[in-house]
Parts: sequence; C-alpha cells; structure tokens
Amino acid sequence: EIVLTQSPDFQSVTPKEKLTITCRASQYIGTSLHWYQKKPDRSPTLLIKYASQSISGVPSRFSGSGSGTDFTLTIDGLEAEDAAAYYCHQSSSLPWTFGQGTKVEIK
Amino acid sequence: QITLKESGPTLVKPTQTLTLTCTFSGFSLSTTGVGVGWIRQPPGKALEWIAVIYWDDDKRYSPSLNSRLTITKDTSKNQVVLTMTNMDPVDTATYYCAHRREYSFFDYWGQGTLVTVSS
Repeated sequence: EIVLTQSPDFQSVTPKEKLTITCRASQYIGTSLHWYQKKPDRSPTLLIKYASQSISGVPSRFSGSGSGTDFTLTIDGLEAEDAAAYYCHQSSSLPWTFGQGTKVEIK
Repeated sequence: QITLKESGPTLVKPTQTLTLTCTFSGFSLSTTGVGVGWIRQPPGKALEWIAVIYWDDDKRYSPSLNSRLTITKDTSKNQVVLTMTNMDPVDTATYYCAHRREYSFFDYWGQGTLVTVSS
C-alpha cells in the first residue's frame, strides 16, 4: 500500500499569505496525485488533478506541482473561505489512498 | 449536471449489516470509463477509500475491508449499493459516494451520510 504523508498537519495563516502543503508518497506514483479540499459538514471538492492540472471553477490561487514521490499544493493569497482540511490522494495503484490531511486555519 | 446522494440508516448495531444506496444523476454507469466509488471519513480522521464499481461491472475493494464488502449497481435505476457486514463501532463514519473519472480521481461527491455504530 502506498502511504501518503502530508506536512504540516496544521497551519495557522493570515489572509493574503502564501501557503504550501507537501505530500510525499512512499513509492513512485508519477503524476497520479490529486488534491481535495474538505470543509466541516461539507463534501470534499476536487482542487487539482494529476499533480498540477487545474479544475474548472477552482480559484486560480490554488496550484499544484510535483511528480514521482514529492508533491506540493500552493495557495497563493489565502482567503478566509480557504479555512479547511486539504487531502492528497493517489490513484497510481490499489488500494487508492489519501494523506492524513492538513488543517488550515485562517487567523 | 452530475449529482449523487447517499441514503441508508443513520444508526446500526454492532454485528449488523449496513446497506447504503447511492442515487445519482447526470451520467450513466453504462458509459465506458465511468465509475462510482465509496469513501468514508471517521469523525476527526482522514478520508479512506472503500470500494468502486465501473461501467463494465469491474469491482475493486479496499483490502482491509474486502471480506466485508459488496458493491453492486442498478444501471436502470442509476443506483449503486454498498453492503458492509459485521459492523463495528470503529466503522462509525460519514460515508460518501463519488463519481470516478478517467479511472483516477473523484470529481463529484455526494453530501455524505453519517452512520453511527452503537448498541
């Protein structure tokens, strides 16, 4: 099973800041890595597919990069509505797995 | 517009069998490449993939739950049904169904249904 390890687990940031979340895979997964946003009592929403491809309707402040085993999600210019948990997810091999999540708090 | 909605019991007793139904619209599970998956999130914990079924009736299960799971589809009703046997309090979670695209990511999710396992 591929383990995805995210860092940090928690981050408190001020609006307009730039935040980078990393996701490291325990083995090579190419670009089969996707990012989701999860707000309390809401269903997850897809932010980035295949490591760096944008999703229609997702604000441009969200971007992704990486390949192989190391990936990053960047939120450039945080807004209050970005308070949420963020999860990476690999679809390279079964069983598909998620990272443990990064909780983002807006000060 | 793709929508999905989960339905089923909110409370089950330990050892009972859970049956959840995902009713969807905006796509067909007979279309090549389409899949519907189940993902759960225990309170305060991370997302966990459970199972998926594809247009061609190919089914995949999480190895850790494989012996307890069955996923089926009814294409005419636009429904996917997940059954999980021998429920335990650790199975308490919000269960989501989601549309799987390109055999890769989940792009549309249901609202989720909280299932509590308690006697």
